[in-house]
Amino acid sequence: QQQVKQSPQSLIVQKGGISIINCAYENTAFDYFPWYQQFPGKGPALLIAIRPDVSEKKEGRFTISFNKSAKQFSLHIMDSQPGDSATYFCAASMERGAGNMLTFGGGTRLMVKP
Amino acid sequence: NAGVMQNPRHLVRRRGQEARLRCSPMKGHSHVYWYRQLPEEGLKFMVYLQKENIIDESGMPKERFSAEFPKEGPSILRIQQVVRGDSAAYFCASSPDIRAFFGQGTRLTVV
Repeated sequence: QQQVKQSPQSLIVQKGGISIINCAYENTAFDYFPWYQQFPGKGPALLIAIRPDVSEKKEGRFTISFNKSAKQFSLHIMDSQPGDSATYFCAASMERGAGNMLTFGGGTRLMVKP
Repeated sequence: NAGVMQNPRHLVRRRGQEARLRCSPMKGHSHVYWYRQLPEEGLKFMVYLQKENIIDESGMPKERFSAEFPKEGPSILRIQQVVRGDSAAYFCASSPDIRAFFGQGTRLTVV
């Protein structure tokens, strides 16, 4: 199975709050899990990524938590800001040399209220 | 270092016409991927190319769609005899390694 399931579809958070987006995958061969941020009319931008050999990765206000046994991973946005309002996509792939094809989740539309 | 360049940004075609979408990868990137995004949906993989080779086209519709990445020039995604259902945003990505970097996309509207 190649699916990646993402939830929730939409999320409203107050400024300063924590935004949490969850993803679940089925294919245990996936070994690379990036998150992308997309603003309207723009292309997806790589935000942060994790490999299954670590359980957490933090970059600034963004943290990925990874649970290999449950085949789940999540994005936490701490101190959420109105500028974080965008659509977020999780993805997964199997590394093949220098290339990889991404399987995307359905996306989460985040709105951060001032 | 310029990012992934796609053109045109917007393309309108009548049913039955051909659409040609272009993608220039980031400098030094030899892997190019094409994805399609329908409104309110995630991106779906279409095709993976390296210079002069199609590596994986498992996500590409069998008819009317083709892609190439010639030795010189940009990668081209070609859609022949477009239908309304082809209306979508088409994104190109390039990668130097495991990371993929996306262009701004071409928004195709079929009228």
